[in-house]
Amino acid sequence: AQRVTQPEKLLSVFKGAPVELKCNYSYSGSPELFWYVQYSRQRLQLLLRHISRESIKGFTADLNKGETSFHLKKPFAQEEDSAMYYCALHAGGTSYGKLTFGQGTILTVHP
Amino acid sequence: GAGVSQSPSNKVTEKGKDVELRCDPISGHTALYWYRQSLGQGLEFLIYFQGNSAPDKSGLPSDRFSAERTGGSVSTLTIQRTQQEDSAVYLCASSLSPGETQYFGPGTRLLVL
Repeated sequence: AQRVTQPEKLLSVFKGAPVELKCNYSYSGSPELFWYVQYSRQRLQLLLRHISRESIKGFTADLNKGETSFHLKKPFAQEEDSAMYYCALHAGGTSYGKLTFGQGTILTVHP
Repeated sequence: GAGVSQSPSNKVTEKGKDVELRCDPISGHTALYWYRQSLGQGLEFLIYFQGNSAPDKSGLPSDRFSAERTGGSVSTLTIQRTQQEDSAVYLCASSLSPGETQYFGPGTRLLVL
């Protein structure tokens, strides 16, 4: 069975500082990894997925199969980045697209 | 077009009562998912629909939980004989097809007293 681990429940940084939200996964096959974000009073929304290799809102994430990690990074955090971030995995194959989520990390960016 | 909608937005019920939660997916989305978001448990998968059939019910926590989807559109999640541990936010998501980007609804916050 697959598992996603986000070791930090809370992460605080100051505006302009770099930020890294950690995500590790366990899965024997080739997963697809996602980062979802939930801003205050808004619904959960996709931030980025590893296959697209996009940079969204200045965030990037690289899939490291050797370390089974998919850490989310941004070089200069902004106050509007404050939100709950979830790392998620799609196992593919017969998993029908269902997502396995980590516990989430609450990011707070202080002015 | 409109996004995924869910109703009610909040539901308070007494232990032992039955509740029904509704999800309206994005028009044309064949895949529909239910998840539960609770303190300490994060986001957990409950059930997946492809059209009106549910090939994956593996996340339903007990036989008190059931769901159906009609007309390949609206889905209802029913919880019978609610317990306090059922208190959570129930999220619905839909996607064009399995594996495509999932779009989430605003959720139904359920509180069982």
